Amino acid sequence: KQEVTQIPAALSVPEGENLVLNCSFTDSAIYNLQWFRQDPGKGLTSLLLIQSSQREQTSGRLNASLDKSSGRSTLYIAASQPGDSATYLCAVSNDYKLSFGAGTTVTVRA
Amino acid sequence: DGGITQSPKYLFRKEGQNVTLSCEQNLNHDAMYWYRQDPGQGLRLIYYSQIVNDFQKGDIAEGYSVSREKKESFPLTVTSAQKNPTAFYLCASSIGWGEAADTQYFGPGTRLTVL
Repeated sequence: KQEVTQIPAALSVPEGENLVLNCSFTDSAIYNLQWFRQDPGKGLTSLLLIQSSQREQTSGRLNASLDKSSGRSTLYIAASQPGDSATYLCAVSNDYKLSFGAGTTVTVRA
Repeated sequence: DGGITQSPKYLFRKEGQNVTLSCEQNLNHDAMYWYRQDPGQGLRLIYYSQIVNDFQKGDIAEGYSVSREKKESFPLTVTSAQKNPTAFYLCASSIGWGEAADTQYFGPGTRLTVL
């Protein structure tokens, strides 16, 4: 059974600091890995999707890396802003389903 | 605008009642999913459907039922057999499934509270 772990569970940083969010998974036979953002009481918004054959994806201030063999992914958010405050969820795709981590709740202090 | 809608946003249920959560998508996606989210936990898959008139149990299907009579709609019924139904329910869809699946698109969610 795929297990996805996200560390830390919560993170608080001053505005402008870079954010580093970690995700690990136990079964490396994945199709892809996705990072989502969730605001309180809302649905999930996809941020980045990395196919299993890729090493990283970038979108604006966001960069996600994937090391499939070691079962790890890292999401970097450069020059954080208060609007980046949210919960960030990592999910890996095996067969028909996504397996989610519990998320990292980020607070960016102005 | 293309997207996924869920209704209602908030739902209250008395003990012993069945309730149905609506999920509609106009993205022309084949696959649809229902997840449950509890505080401090990741999303857990309840049911999924890869095509009309077909659906499969996920990891926590007990006490839930679904139907997929139309491509756009995938309603979830929370039955009285579900012992702890208070949670946030999220519906999602994707173009394909398995290796062909792209990202999943999520609805805004329904918060169900048992009184």
